[in-house]
Amino acid sequence: QVQLQESGPGLVKPSQTLSLTCTVSGGSISSGGYYWSWIRQHPGKGLEWIGYIYYSGSTYYNPSLKSRVTISVDTSKNQFSLKLSSVTAADTAVYYCARDRRNLGNYFDYWGQGTLVTVSS
Amino acid sequence: DIQMTQSPSSLSASVGDRVTITCRASQSISSYLNWYQQKPGKAPKLLIYAASSLQSGVPSRFSGSGSGTDFTLTISSLQPEDFATYYCQQSYSTPRAFGPGTKVDIK
Repeated sequence: QVQLQESGPGLVKPSQTLSLTCTVSGGSISSGGYYWSWIRQHPGKGLEWIGYIYYSGSTYYNPSLKSRVTISVDTSKNQFSLKLSSVTAADTAVYYCARDRRNLGNYFDYWGQGTLVTVSS
Repeated sequence: DIQMTQSPSSLSASVGDRVTITCRASQSISSYLNWYQQKPGKAPKLLIYAASSLQSGVPSRFSGSGSGTDFTLTISSLQPEDFATYYCQQSYSTPRAFGPGTKVDIK
């Protein structure tokens, strides 16, 4: 059973960089056929896809956040990470990591529990 | 970018009711449409992928249909555990995009 777990600071100051890590267990992040995505949800709102990474390191970012986002992977630790720079209060959200499976299209079949990140001084 | 809309934004229903939620894409996405269920404080859960394929472990009262731009999620007989918010999501192209959600609550 694949499990994902987000970790990182729950409070970030404005203009700083938000950094989160997703640890994958029960399966290898290097397995082909999967992307590894970050998704966020503003309080009481819908879901926003941030971007994905493949185990090889190739990435795709949502154009709405592209200038501030970096997603990286550490296959030796079975982890992938999110960095979002120059944060403002508008970046306050629950951040989820998810496995993005390629099969008849793509879908998010496993999710982390989510971690709330608040941007405040 | 492809935009997703859902209707209704919320609905009230009773246990045993048949419930239908509609999702529309701003351009054709073939059958690359997924449905998720989210309960308060929890991560979304995949219900349906590729428009009509039931994810393993999901009850058969959930079904999906559609192709092109118009899609439907149907719950054949609403159960107490089905009260939640439902999201559609397109995987035809990047950026991946979710619909705004449909909240199903108790009448």
